[in-house]
Amino acid sequence: DAMVIQNPRYQVTQFGKPVTLSCSQTLNHNVMYWYQQKSSQAPKLLFHYYDKDFNNEADTPDNFQSRRPNTSFCFLDIRSPGLGDAAMYLCATSVGIFAAGVGNEQFFGPGTRLTVL
Amino acid sequence: GESVGLHLPTLSVQEGDNSIINCAYSNSASDYFIWYKQESGKGPQFIIDIRSNMDKRQGQRVTVLLNKTVKHLSLQIAATQPGDSAVYFCAENSGGSNYKLTFGKGTLLTVNP
Repeated sequence: DAMVIQNPRYQVTQFGKPVTLSCSQTLNHNVMYWYQQKSSQAPKLLFHYYDKDFNNEADTPDNFQSRRPNTSFCFLDIRSPGLGDAAMYLCATSVGIFAAGVGNEQFFGPGTRLTVL
Repeated sequence: GESVGLHLPTLSVQEGDNSIINCAYSNSASDYFIWYKQESGKGPQFIIDIRSNMDKRQGQRVTVLLNKTVKHLSLQIAATQPGDSAVYFCAENSGGSNYKLTFGKGTLLTVNP
């Protein structure tokens, strides 16, 4: 089945130690998104790629970076994790073309739960 | 650890009852709306969507109603089951060249057996 896969599902890192989260998709979608979600809150968009075009949200800290080496894979790098970065990180994809009859549904992966010690 | 989150609006229903979850959206230019279901520890899962040229759309046990005049969206779940217990998010998209979604705050639905 076509899907969005995130690895690992659970990640523990130490304060200040760089960490990379991985996302892959078999949907061949143009757009890949990274969201941060804290308890009892809505997902917060960090950035997204439309193909190779990177789009950062204005309030995303510089501590968060992303790479998309090809259509299928996208990585979230947290350069120096702080305690406040502990959260669920969600990857999503969408077709990215808004046309008649085509919605912009986003397909989410299962998420990576990041713990910062 | 994580910062303390906001308390979600909650809805508690008995198994078998109908549930109605409401959402007020912000952008009058939005023309596409989605409801997502998120179970604990999982990613959001698509339930149903609706375009602004419609005011009602039905799926299996779910109905979405859209009132553009007051910018209100609702999700109705018929014969609610324990497996429906989750957080429900509405999301809007303003279309055109903007394919990003703006999420609402979410509602926690608890179904009591």
